Amino acid sequence: GAVVSQHPSWVICKSGTSVKIECRSLDFQATTMFWYRQFPKQSLMLMATSNEGSKATYEQGVEKDKFLINHASLTLSTLTVTSAHPEDSSFYICSARVLAGGELFFGEGSRLTVL
Amino acid sequence: GDSVTQMEGPVTLSEEAFLTINCTYTATGYPSLFWYVQYPGEGLQLLLKATKADDKGSNKGFEATYRKETTSFHLEKGSVQVSDSAVYFCALEGLTGGGNKLTFGTGTQLKVEL
Repeated sequence: GAVVSQHPSWVICKSGTSVKIECRSLDFQATTMFWYRQFPKQSLMLMATSNEGSKATYEQGVEKDKFLINHASLTLSTLTVTSAHPEDSSFYICSARVLAGGELFFGEGSRLTVL
Repeated sequence: GDSVTQMEGPVTLSEEAFLTINCTYTATGYPSLFWYVQYPGEGLQLLLKATKADDKGSNKGFEATYRKETTSFHLEKGSVQVSDSAVYFCALEGLTGGGNKLTFGTGTQLKVEL
């Protein structure tokens, strides 16, 4: 199957700093990418949907000014957690697909720990 | 709203044992149903899916049947192997919000021992 890669896999930062997580589709062009958040022993929660070249669509309750999403090219989407706080510590996962309704391919996830 | 409930883990089995991981859902209409698997250190991978009632998805010896009457999509395998050790997620793709949004269960960790 197609490969989606996230970087970094692990990141530790101080409270108040910003952290950027990258999601790349390595062997296909992704028209749409999704960002999820997962807390321990909980399900993946969709945060936002990003389409290349347009603004991301955020799910209800997700602060768009805190979780900045950019989908500047067909192979790269970034999630920036701004002014991170310990409650933002979580596992962030991206997925991507070529066409609407097509199979989703997932990254391996990025674990953020905010001290 | 849409929701997926799956059994809590971890589930620990001996090799060649029979596996069942229960999954039930709540959704409007007739969603598509999925099982994803996540091996250690890797991203989620689609294991199987079913798009309408009574469909049976199957892959790598795993099966799940879309049961509308019980709103269930239980995952089964007749004989598990150590290499099946992973976290399994049940999910649905509903019709609300324009579709194409997956709602996941909490995941069930499977450990298969020799």
